[in-house]
Order: sequence, then C-alpha cells, then structure tokens
Amino acid sequence: GAGVSQTPSNKVTEKGKYVELRCDPISGHTALYWYRQSLGQGPEFLIYFQGTGAADDSGLPNDRFFAVRPEGSVSTLKIQRTERGDSAVYLCASSLTLAGANTGELFFGEGSRLTVL
Amino acid sequence: AQSVTQPDIHITVSEGASLELRCNYSYGATPYLFWYVQSPGQGLQLLLKYFSGDTLVQGIKGFEAEFKRSQSSFNLRKPSVHWSDAAEYFCAVGSGTYKYIFGTGTRLKVLA
Repeated sequence: GAGVSQTPSNKVTEKGKYVELRCDPISGHTALYWYRQSLGQGPEFLIYFQGTGAADDSGLPNDRFFAVRPEGSVSTLKIQRTERGDSAVYLCASSLTLAGANTGELFFGEGSRLTVL
Repeated sequence: AQSVTQPDIHITVSEGASLELRCNYSYGATPYLFWYVQSPGQGLQLLLKYFSGDTLVQGIKGFEAEFKRSQSSFNLRKPSVHWSDAAEYFCAVGSGTYKYIFGTGTRLKVLA
C-alpha cells in the first residue's frame, strides 16, 4: 500500500539486547517522526527528521536510543541494552512539507510493539 | 508547561446518540490543534485540525470540533454516533516545530 510501513509489527527481546525498528514513510514525505506509546498513554514524541538530518531529537529518553535516516527515506530506530521500561509501541509518522511549511497532518504507521522480558 | 488534558478516560454512548469528547490544552503560543482516532490494529488517523480562522472545523466521518481560546478547549463532537466510531480518540497540540503533544486518550464504547 501507499501508507507508512513499520517492521517488525511485534518484537520480543530480552533485557540487555539490541533492537532495530524500521520505518518506511510515504513516498515523497520529507518529514519523518518517531513517537512512543506506552500502555494507557498517548503518543510521546521522540525524534523528528527533515530529510536526512535529525531536526529535533529532544524526545529521545537517553543515549541508548538512536535513530538514523541516511538517504532521507527509510528510518531505523535503534535501542541498545534494552530495559523492561522500553516496552511500548513505537510509532512512526511522516508528513508532507510544502515550501517549508508544515501541512499539519501526520500519517502514522501501525506501530512496532516492543516487549522486553 | 505545554500539556493536553483529556479528562474522560472512557465514554459510553448509545448508537445514534450525540457525542462530545473534551480536550483542554496549555500552550504558550497560538496552537495548532488536532484530533486523531486510533482503531484496534490500525494506525492513528487524523480526524480534523485547527490552525487559524473559523473556530468551528469540520472533519472526516461527520466529526467537528470547536476551538475556544478563552476556555483553552478544543472539544470534539458528533451529532449521531455509529457503532463503527468505537475507538480511542486523541487530542494533540503543536506548532510549526512538529513536536506534537498528545493527550492520554478517550476510549469510546458504542452500545447497540
């Protein structure tokens, strides 16, 4: 389809392991976002990319979290030394920027559910 | 501090009844305001947004919302609820910085 695609949809890992979550945005969308949604909570901002660069990474909780978008399309969220508290649904979204202005609509993927045992 | 409050965690309405979901925000600048809906197994979908202009905005699926600056509110309404509207609804606030702040959500249950 033409929507935001996230893989894997579910990931179960053990405490201390390394995890990568992938996001394939809508073609042509230059802006890409990662959010985290814990149980019973709304999505919480992690990082925003405009093109290849991270324009705002102020939401990343600590240095175990890192995200890249090397070619300005697909993005990977990387979590090192996972902890049980990292268990959540990780949402990716993309949006269209017209003439540098935010069009205001984020298109979300279905999320990657991460469970750390 | 910037924040969004959705005071109702759960709401139950009968099919055909009217609906109002509350949203209050705290934001220093003129906000962009949004309502998103999240159905099981699906991603968040934008229902409507307010940037400026007419304070009553129309969205998809028959929803509307009214921005009231004096009350710092952006309540979502629908005159007649359908069973397919059962889902979780999130209010969000942001600006041109793209860092949207979401509320904790209101889960809507529709009785047949």
